[in-house]
Parts: sequence; C-alpha cells; structure tokens
Amino acid sequence: QVHFVQSGAEVKNPGASVRLSCKASGFIFTNYAIQWVRQAPGQRLEWMGWINAGNGHTKYSQKFQGRVTITRDTSASTVYMDLSSLRSEDTAVYYCARGIWSISTAAYYFDYWGQGALVTVSS
Amino acid sequence: DIQMTQSPSTLSASVGDRVTITCRASQSISSWLAWYQQKPGRAPKLLIFRASSLESGVPSRFSGSGSGTEFTLTISSLQPDDFATYYCQQYSSYSPDTFGQGTKLAVK
Repeated sequence: QVHFVQSGAEVKNPGASVRLSCKASGFIFTNYAIQWVRQAPGQRLEWMGWINAGNGHTKYSQKFQGRVTITRDTSASTVYMDLSSLRSEDTAVYYCARGIWSISTAAYYFDYWGQGALVTVSS
Repeated sequence: DIQMTQSPSTLSASVGDRVTITCRASQSISSWLAWYQQKPGRAPKLLIFRASSLESGVPSRFSGSGSGTEFTLTISSLQPDDFATYYCQQYSSYSPDTFGQGTKLAVK
C-alpha cells in the first residue's frame, strides 16, 4: 500500500532554513512526481512544487521560486524540501503527496498524502 | 491565473441529508478538477478526480459533476463520518490558488 512518512515538527527562527523529508513506500518511486503542499493555520491548501522522482526535474510555484528546493534520493525513496529565509507567514503544516499527472494539462492532482509536518517560525 | 471559489464556506446539515458544495473557476478548466476531504489534524483525502470520477474506495454516496467553470460535489445521504472540510483543486494549469478556500460541513 502506498505510504509516506514525513519528518517531525520543526521550530525555526525567522531567516533560518528548514529541511523536511518524505519517505515513500508501496509503489515504484521513480514512476511518480512527488509534490509539496502546505497549509497555514485556518487557510487553504497551497501547492509549492514537485519533483519528478525518476529524472529529478522540478517545478516550483512562482510564489516560492528562489526560496524552495526539492531534491530526491532514489536509493532511499525519499524526497526533501528545503525552504529558506523563513518568516512567520511560513508557519504551516507541510505535506508531501503523490502526484497523478494529467497528460492533457501537464498538471497534477494528488492521490496519497503524508501525515504532514508542522513548521513553526517564531523568534 | 485561475481563481477557485467555493460556496458556501460553511454548511450545516444533519445525518441523512443530501448536501451539495459548489466550486467555481474564474475561467474554463474543462473537467480538470479534484475534490478532497480533510478532517482536523489529518491530511486531505482524494474523493473525486476529473470532475466526476470516484477514487477507488470512496463511498458511492459521494459524486461530482460539472465542467468548464462550475462544479458540484454531492453527498447523497450524509453520514457521521462525512463532517469535515472539503476542498476543490483545479489541475488545468499552474496558478497560485490551485485549491479552493474550503467548505466546512458542520453538524446542524
């Protein structure tokens, strides 16, 4: 069965960086794009970016361009998301999810999700 | 950029009710729409993709319809487990607000 295990909660100071991990199991890791989606308290879900786990190609939301980097380790079936220059508005639960690609639009919907990791940015 | 707007923001209903949630796109997205259910402290769960296709394992009381700019999620007979927040998501193109703002389904 498809399963994601994400790293734990983090508390960071403003200006710092955070690295979150997402370990996948139950499917052929390199056949999918793994997405990152976040949700600030009481807010809507917000797509951040994805990585093609097979070829390492990435795409990021313009909102996070320059601050986010998504990488993967195929030997460990794990995806990493680095977010830099943290500010209080980055306080959120961060989810990884498996993307299902629409060949017609080259965009994704998400069929399986990790449990989420809370990142708190506070001085 | 495509904007996604859901209505209502909150919906109060009782077990056994038929409920409908609406999602509108600011421009046509054909049928490239998914619906998710999210319970407090939990990850979202995929219910519907391509506007009307039921994800495997999702109860048949859930259904989706629509195309273009207007879409609906219907629960035919509300069950206690269905009280949650529901989100639509367009995957026609990349835009900042790919998800709707959510509809909270609460107990009347």
